[in-house]
Amino acid sequence: AQSVTQLGSHVSVSEGALVLLRCNYSSSVPPYLFWYVQYPNQGLQLLLKYTSAATLVKGINGFEAEFKKSETSFHLTKPSAHMSDAAEYFCAVMGGGNKLTFGTGTQLKVEL
Amino acid sequence: GAVVSQHPSRVICKSGTSVKIECRSLDFQATTMFWYRQFPKQSLMLMATSNEGSKATYEQGVEKDKFLINHASLTLSTLTVTSAHPEDSSFYICSASHRAGEEKLFFGSGTQLSVL
Repeated sequence: AQSVTQLGSHVSVSEGALVLLRCNYSSSVPPYLFWYVQYPNQGLQLLLKYTSAATLVKGINGFEAEFKKSETSFHLTKPSAHMSDAAEYFCAVMGGGNKLTFGTGTQLKVEL
Repeated sequence: GAVVSQHPSRVICKSGTSVKIECRSLDFQATTMFWYRQFPKQSLMLMATSNEGSKATYEQGVEKDKFLINHASLTLSTLTVTSAHPEDSSFYICSASHRAGEEKLFFGSGTQLSVL
């Protein structure tokens, strides 16, 4: 069975500062990993995904994530936070049948 | 990119009534659709998986008689919450995949259900 753990339910950064959202996964098979962003009362938007190609994955809006098998991690980063990045971020792992298992989410707050 | 349309975006109903939520793939054929629910400040939990033309597969703990899922065509899946109660109030989101084994999933914009 697959699972993901997101450390930190709330993260606060200053505008222009580095964003780091942590995700660790557990999977019995090589995982497909995803990061999604959710704005209030909206569905999910895919930021990026890892599907066993390059370990450093670049996504939309300047986000990227690095797959580290040795650490079973897939942390999301962005060099410089923008006010518009404030949202809920979910890490997810895909299992059999294309089923996604989501982490509990991290609420990102960006302060002036 | 592929678009999944979900309607309604928000619905308020009285306890005991039924509510239908539609999920449509607008520019691709969705062989598989997934239904999730999300309680406030919590993660998304998979409720069921539906494949076109066959019965939905429900996750453990999800009442299939309460949450009726129909996937009659390759572009439409519906979730009907029957005899809704206040505890069914939640955010429901559908997602669709293009074909079996395709890891790309496209999400609808969600439906906020409030049962009075």
